[in-house]
This record gives sequence, structure tokens and C-alpha cells, in this order.
Amino acid sequence: ETGVTQTPRHLVMGMTNKKSLKCEQHLGHNAMYWYKQSAKKPLELMFVYNFKEQTENNSVPSRFSPECPNSSHLFLHLHTLQPEDSALYLCASSQGASTRNTEAFFGQGTRLTVV
Amino acid sequence: KQEVTQIPAALSVPEGENLVLNCSFTDSAIYNLQWFRQDPGKGLTSLLLIQSSQREQTSGRLNASLDKSSGRSTLYIAASQPGDSATYLCAPASGSARQLTFGSGTQLTVLP
Repeated sequence: ETGVTQTPRHLVMGMTNKKSLKCEQHLGHNAMYWYKQSAKKPLELMFVYNFKEQTENNSVPSRFSPECPNSSHLFLHLHTLQPEDSALYLCASSQGASTRNTEAFFGQGTRLTVV
Repeated sequence: KQEVTQIPAALSVPEGENLVLNCSFTDSAIYNLQWFRQDPGKGLTSLLLIQSSQREQTSGRLNASLDKSSGRSTLYIAASQPGDSATYLCAPASGSARQLTFGSGTQLTVLP
């Protein structure tokens, strides 16, 4: 199994749909992150969870709703998205913000297209 | 707010050349800095992590240096190969959550 697994790899959804992205890490890490990568723009941090508690919300619209039921799983619930939300959504994990080693490992991403 | 700049934005070199990718950041209060590579449409692969107390880190043909006080890091790739073609991203970790801030990357093409 790879360290960080994201499903689905590709998703096409209409603006009125509700869908969820899933991320799972098998590295024993305590921190998990959602990033958004739009065309021609740097990766943008969306949310940070440390020991299942959300510690950062980088001014993300409420149509994106994260959920972290345990340290190994992270979800991103999507509803009433806009076409400009189409992007590659990347999940990452690290040992945790309070530890010295915060090397981050990324999943392969979910390519989201909103039509 | 941390800002990261990577120069050059794109680079094309013949196979075998040694090359240097540059990264600068505005907030020198970082915990560490990571270099990643990203292949088109894929996730990020971690290449090297330099702790804020370190000056240099090496892995195979890759060598990364860090000058924290001046807000600069470089990634040196020796004897480049076509398989090195990818986008290279640097990301310092800063802030209370030690979150990574990314530059726009350097798109490297190594020609056979």
C-alpha cells in the first residue's frame, strides 16, 4: 500500500451535486492536510488537522466541508460547487505540527471537474 | 504571510548537464524546507527535507542547500537525465501549524 491514498482519482460533478473526496494515510501520522492546485497557480493550503482537530481553515468557502474522523482518514465534502473549483485536490500527511519532523507526504490527488 | 518565488520558471537542458534551481522565501522563521517533484497530473514526491538548523542535504544526484537568514534554497541536480523531467517545487514550513507554502515551481525538461 502506498503511504497516502486518495479516492477517487478523477471526479466529474454538476454544480448541484454533493460528493466527497477521501484520503487515507498508512504512515502513522497525526497531521493531515488538504491542498488545492489550480491551473497555473501554486498549491494553496485549504485545511489542516492535527490529532483530528482542525487547526487551520485558510478562508475556504463553506461549500467545501472537511471531516477528520480519526488520524488516518480525511474527507472533503463538496456541495454546490462552481466551475472555478475545478482543480487537482491533494491530500498530505506528516507526523504532526508539534514534532520536529514535519516532512509531508502527498497522495496522487483527485482531479475534480465541475460542469 | 510567507511568499515563495522559484527561478527560473522553466528550464530546458541537454542530458548530462548539471543544473541549479533557485528558491527564495520572504519569512525566514521556518522549521524546515522541502523540495518536491511533480509529474504532470500527479501528486508530489518528496525529494529532500532540510531542517532549519542544517545547511545542506544530499540524496543521490540531488543536493539541496539552505541559507535561512537570507531566505534562499537551491536544488542542485548532477548529471541530469530525461527521467528528471518534471516540475520541481520548494516549500518552506512555517506558522503555528508548520504548514507548507509553495512556489509556482520550475518546469524542467531534460532532452535526450
